[in-house]
Amino acid sequence: RKEVEQDPGPFNVPEGATVAFNCTYSNSASQSFFWYRQDCRKEPKLLMSVYSSGNEDGRFTAQLNRASQYISLLIRDSKLSDSATYLCVVNGAGGSYIPTFGRGTSLIVHP
Amino acid sequence: DGGITQSPKYLFRKEGQNVTLSCEQNLNHDAMYWYRQDPGQGLRLIYYSQIVNDFQKGDIAEGYSVSREKKESFPLTVTSAQKNPTAFYLCASSFDNRPYEQYFGPGTRLTVT
Repeated sequence: RKEVEQDPGPFNVPEGATVAFNCTYSNSASQSFFWYRQDCRKEPKLLMSVYSSGNEDGRFTAQLNRASQYISLLIRDSKLSDSATYLCVVNGAGGSYIPTFGRGTSLIVHP
Repeated sequence: DGGITQSPKYLFRKEGQNVTLSCEQNLNHDAMYWYRQDPGQGLRLIYYSQIVNDFQKGDIAEGYSVSREKKESFPLTVTSAQKNPTAFYLCASSFDNRPYEQYFGPGTRLTVT
């Protein structure tokens, strides 16, 4: 089983829709979790951290479920500009200094 | 403006030639990283460095070499020993105690024919 797994998608949704992605991780010792966003042919950028209590930033909500070992990203009222690949990042898995990046989930928001 | 730069944006080389990709940051970050990304694939770590004059191999270091002579600079050499060098190469940096908060450069697309 891979350390961090994501459904590659693409998730194809209309503007205004609500969409959610999950990311599962295999190491229960993982300490912290993040979502990055990568636009087509561009570099990844940190989108938001995922706290145990969940956190919200505008239309974006990130949640952690330690019991089932997954994190989620919910996007409400999708915009065309939300079209991108969303990378799940897990830190501290197996005592490694380097965080583990998932392969990403592709989101396409259409008019 | 603070940031991380990579040059060139596009690079074309003939098979058998070594090529060096530049990465510079002025964020005062301690740690720097090199990743490779292939189409439809995730990021794969090539090398990383937490401090000047020290670096560690990542998951796919074979065929690559790096140096860290200055805090600001972490060049990557793709040698002729790398069997499939054509890829998108991303450099990143972070504070040493926050490796999960990485700032990426714009990347270099290397094509070897």
